[in-house]
Amino acid sequence: AQSVTQLGSHVSVSEGALVLLRCNYSSSVPPYLFWYVQYPNQGLQLLLKYTSAATLVKGINGFEAEFKKSETSFHLTKPSAHMSDAAEYFCAVSVVKTSYDKVIFGPGTSLSVIP
Amino acid sequence: NAGVTQTPKFQVLKTGQSMTLQCAQDMNHNSMYWYRQDPGMGLRLIYYSASEGTTDKGEVPNGYNVSRLNKREFSLRLESAAPSQTSVYFCASSEGGAVVFYEQYFGPGTRLTVT
Repeated sequence: AQSVTQLGSHVSVSEGALVLLRCNYSSSVPPYLFWYVQYPNQGLQLLLKYTSAATLVKGINGFEAEFKKSETSFHLTKPSAHMSDAAEYFCAVSVVKTSYDKVIFGPGTSLSVIP
Repeated sequence: NAGVTQTPKFQVLKTGQSMTLQCAQDMNHNSMYWYRQDPGMGLRLIYYSASEGTTDKGEVPNGYNVSRLNKREFSLRLESAAPSQTSVYFCASSEGGAVVFYEQYFGPGTRLTVT
């Protein structure tokens, strides 16, 4: 069965520092992978998605993620953190079904940015 | 386009009361979903509708019912609310179908407290 783990429920970085949020997945078939961001009191919005076209995926707001099959990882990075990046980040894996698209979400990582 | 809208934004219920959460999307999407979000658990799928006229159980369906009223609207009903149903509820939609890498679009959420 597919599953997602996110190492670290809370990550703090200084403004301007590297952001690294970790995601590992389990899937018996080639997965589709997503990163979503949730700002306070809002719904989730897509940051980026991996659909097997390229292993390095670029998303919105300067974020990118690299799919590493050998490590079953899809870590999210941003070279320089901004105060506006403070939010909850969710990694997700799709479940391959024949009749619908279903996504399994990880537990989330809360990112704090320190001025 | 309003995207995905949800009503109400906040609700407090007493144990045993019933209520319906409303969701509508204006993107002509086929698939719609109801999730609940609890601290440290990510999002868990309650019910989904792959297309108009069909609904299916997700990971945590007990205590809930749904109606896909038409292509735009997907409602979630709590027949007899319990404190364990205190949560934030999100509705989402996607283009849907058998292709699993369509992103999901989320509403702003309904914060429900059951006392």
